[in-house]
Amino acid sequence: DVKVTQSSRYLVKRTGEKVFLECVQDMDHENMFWYRQDPGLGLRLIYFSYDVKMKEKGDIPEGYSVSREKKERFSLILESASTNQTSMYLCASSLLGGSSPLHFGNGTRLTVT
Amino acid sequence: EDKVVQSPLSLVVHEGDTVTLNCSYEVTNFRSLLWYKQEKKAPTFLFMLTSSGIEKKSGRLSSILDKKELFSILNITATQTGDSAVYLCADTGANSKLTFGKGITLSVRP
Repeated sequence: DVKVTQSSRYLVKRTGEKVFLECVQDMDHENMFWYRQDPGLGLRLIYFSYDVKMKEKGDIPEGYSVSREKKERFSLILESASTNQTSMYLCASSLLGGSSPLHFGNGTRLTVT
Repeated sequence: EDKVVQSPLSLVVHEGDTVTLNCSYEVTNFRSLLWYKQEKKAPTFLFMLTSSGIEKKSGRLSSILDKKELFSILNITATQTGDSAVYLCADTGANSKLTFGKGITLSVRP
């Protein structure tokens, strides 16, 4: 069974801090994604990657960056956290080609104060 | 820009009722449409649909896709309280990118 693991379930950070959200998958999936989920707005794609060192902007990349140095790990970075980045962050992975479903991690609930 | 619209946004039913959840989409280079169920944590995969008119079924849940009219429905028969969740629809376009709808909150009352 595919496992996508996000390093933290809950995180509280202060405005201006640099924040790292880590995600690891164990099924050798090429594609990895970061979404944020907010009430009334659904899941919105921040960044995705379909190969090591490759990254593509999603629908709301502003204020975020990503890193994919190894196939199994995809990190989301908030360079200078702001209160409007308080949200649930979901990482997901899938096989290349769009013919397989996304498998999600359990999410990280980030609060920026 | 790809777009997925789900309706209704929320729904309250009683146990034993049948519900139909709707999803319409606009996407370039359509590949598939997916349904997920989300309770307290991560969305869990329900169905992937790629061909029109072919119903996919799993227990009391079923789903079908109409590629001509660009919509899909998810049916749940004989609902149970455990079906209470947010149901997400997403389509896959270019680069395997999924675009999600806002979700439908289903509440099943005993």
